[in-house]
Amino acid sequence: DVRLLESGGGLVQPGGSLRLSCAASGFTFGDIPMNWVRQAPGKGLEWVSTIGDNTYYSDSVMGRFTISRDNSKNTLYLQMDSLRADDTAMYYCARRIKVSGTGAFDLWGQGTTVTVSS
Amino acid sequence: EIVMTQSPATLSMSPGERATLSCRASQSVGRNLVWYQQKPGQAPRLLIYGASVRATGIPARFTGSGSGTECTLTISSLQSEDFAVYYCQQYDQWPYTFGQGTRLEIK
Repeated sequence: DVRLLESGGGLVQPGGSLRLSCAASGFTFGDIPMNWVRQAPGKGLEWVSTIGDNTYYSDSVMGRFTISRDNSKNTLYLQMDSLRADDTAMYYCARRIKVSGTGAFDLWGQGTTVTVSS
Repeated sequence: EIVMTQSPATLSMSPGERATLSCRASQSVGRNLVWYQQKPGQAPRLLIYGASVRATGIPARFTGSGSGTECTLTISSLQSEDFAVYYCQQYDQWPYTFGQGTRLEIK
């Protein structure tokens, strides 16, 4: 079964850290750029980060979040440091479609919730 | 950063009608545009990429068109399962950016 399964979300105080994981199955994980997208409660989608040949970050998380992957474990990570209240969101991992040069996401996990609050 | 603006914010329509959703970019994105559908409590679902290419398994009633700064998603005959929120996204430049969404609701 082709799927992505996020974990690691939870409640954290402002300034704290969390590490999200996304376990992939059913496809050749190492070949494909992977992404994190978030959605604040009641709001729209926001791209956060991509890892492929290079890594990319949104301005809002640059310097605080680090994307990484372990291809031997078929797992994507997002290390989130210096968390702020406006980082509160559902965090989705998403696979980039296997069409060259296309930054569309064709497989999404169910998401993991991050709440930053004191 | 490229700003994506969707209109209208909410579209009230009846089953069987034709829906037209718009997405405008603050600068040209060529055909590097995606449409997603999201239902409450679910992850987004890829509908269209490359402005007009239907993703695997997407019904033919969904059509993407346009390029440059103006793109459109047309749903030819609305089915009950089509009432959802629709997002456009550009991948022409980093950072990738999404529109704020159009809510398609039953009239």
